[in-house]
Amino acid sequence: AQTVTQSQPEMSVQEAETVTLSCTYDTSENNYYLFWYKQPPSRQMILVIRQEAYKQQNATENRFSVNFQKAAKSFSLKISDSQLGDTAMYFCAFMKNAGGTSYGKLTFGQGTILTVHP
Amino acid sequence: SQTIHQWPATLVQPVGSPLSLECTVEGTSNPNLYWYRQAAGRGLQLLFYSVGIGQISSEVPQNLSASRPQDRQFILSSKKLLLSDSGFYLCAWVPLLSLNTEAFFGQGTRLTVV
Repeated sequence: AQTVTQSQPEMSVQEAETVTLSCTYDTSENNYYLFWYKQPPSRQMILVIRQEAYKQQNATENRFSVNFQKAAKSFSLKISDSQLGDTAMYFCAFMKNAGGTSYGKLTFGQGTILTVHP
Repeated sequence: SQTIHQWPATLVQPVGSPLSLECTVEGTSNPNLYWYRQAAGRGLQLLFYSVGIGQISSEVPQNLSASRPQDRQFILSSKKLLLSDSGFYLCAWVPLLSLNTEAFFGQGTRLTVV
């Protein structure tokens, strides 16, 4: 079974600054996906960024980037130029890249509440 | 485009009453469907998933059940609610054979059992 650990229950950052959210995971799988999802106060889950384990290059999406260390099983999220709208709970999640009934199941971390201050 | 609908958005139910939450997906066929629960504003736990009509797998033993009567419909039920069933329930679907794999979530149902 997979486990995902987010060791920072809460983080805060000033607007326009950079913040890094940590995530570690444990798995015996070699082929998988990792995700960061954002849950704003509306509770809607929004995909922030995706990383395929077979890709060595770190994923980036505008102000969001990840530091994926496969050997260390670490997957941190960096938010640059933080904006007030980034205030939300952020979840790290793992998905096996497998066929059959295992496909698509997500294992989530406990989440990190990020507050961006003006 | 594909969309996922989940209702109701909020629900307050007395202990011992039945429950039915519904989730439907539009714009795709044969999706994998999932029910997650988020307790106390923290992490999400997978409750049930379905890879096809009538095919339900349970991840954790509990007071809830799920059904998939149609290809794009997924229902979460209980015959008698417990206080511990309170939480935020999210339905999700994952497209098969997608180059950009991700889970798409409904807007959630906040269930309060009183």
